[in-house]
Parts: sequence; C-alpha cells; structure tokens
Amino acid sequence: EAQVTQNPRYLITVTGKKLTVTCSQNMNHEYMSWYRQDPGLGLRQIYYSMNVEVTDKGDVPEGYKVSRKEKRNFPLILESPSPNQTSLYFCASSFGNQPQHFGDGTRLSIL
Amino acid sequence: GQQVMQIPQYQHVQEGEDFTTYCNSSTTLSNIQWYKQRPGGHPVFLIQLVKSGEVKKQKRLTFQFGEAKKNSSLHITATQTTDVGTYFCNAGGTSYGKLTFGQGTILTVHP
Repeated sequence: EAQVTQNPRYLITVTGKKLTVTCSQNMNHEYMSWYRQDPGLGLRQIYYSMNVEVTDKGDVPEGYKVSRKEKRNFPLILESPSPNQTSLYFCASSFGNQPQHFGDGTRLSIL
Repeated sequence: GQQVMQIPQYQHVQEGEDFTTYCNSSTTLSNIQWYKQRPGGHPVFLIQLVKSGEVKKQKRLTFQFGEAKKNSSLHITATQTTDVGTYFCNAGGTSYGKLTFGQGTILTVHP
C-alpha cells in the first residue's frame, strides 16, 4: 500500500530536549516536504527536498533541520525545541509538482 | 515572496446550501491544487488545475482557475454532512519546490 509514515504520532516533551520526527514514503517520490499546521494559519512549509541530498527552506525553517540521505526518508529534527514549536506536523511526498501524499501527522507538545 | 489568501476562514451552512471558497495569489501561478482535510485527518488531494480559465467538476464540486492564473475557487452545490472539513488551496509558483498553502476554509454543515 502506498503510504507516507510518520513517527511518532504524538509526543509531549520539554524545552531544549532534542527530538526527531521520522518520515518515510514507499512510492519512490523524489519530492518530500514538511509542514506545520496551526489554527488560523493553515499549512506552512518548513523545509522541502527535491531529491537525495537536496534540501531547501520553506516559509518557516527557523528552529528546524532536515536531512535527505536516502530517497525514502526525510526526518525533521528539532535540536532545541521551544514551546512555540508546539504544533501539528505533516510530512508529504510527491513526484515533482504532482499531488502530494500526506502522512497522518505528528502532534508535538513542548512544555 | 508569494502570498496566497484564502477566504472565508470559516463557513457554516445548512445542509443543502451551496458553499464557495476562494484563493487569491499575489503572483501568477503555474498550477493550483485543492485538498480536503477531514477533522482529525490529513489533507487529501482533490484536484489540480493548470490551464488559464480551466473548470473541472467532480460530482457536486466545481473548481475554477482564473484567466490570469492568480485566483481559484471551489464551489460545492447542495452541501451534505460528509462535506465537513477544511479545504485548502496549494499554489504552485513559477519556481518548483517551494509551495504555499492558503489558510484554509473550515466548513461546517448543519443537518
């Protein structure tokens, strides 16, 4: 089954404790992207990757890092999380500018 | 940078009434995609529009892309309770990679 898998689905953690949200897709998509969703602000792009070892900033990259060492994986790293990064995060993938497939989301709470 | 405004932010309708959401871009778009997110779910692709003035229909849903490729609309005829959710537009700019979502329209349908 074609899917985008994010882990964890839920996480409560504390300020400053490094965390990684994993994202994996099994569709051989070259394009992958991370979004955060906040009430009234819609989906805002954090980082995207057009292929292995190619990543670029979206609209809200501050406080986040990503890597794309393999085509299927695109982890989101919060080196020193802060409460303003409490949000719902989505990973998505696609072939080029074709429709994106989204993961089920990760709800992060940073205390 | 590219800005996409989506209105309205909220829409409450009685079942059977029509519904329309609009997306307006500050720049000319290469394409626009529409997604639906059910409560508690992830965005799911509905349709992509590419051509100036394009109109596409999916049962009770009608999608339009403006002649200048700067605006788009989604119209639902005779809403049903299954239509509830948040509708997003996703604007593809002339540079592939960075994507901008509208803020979303939250649709509530009262039976």
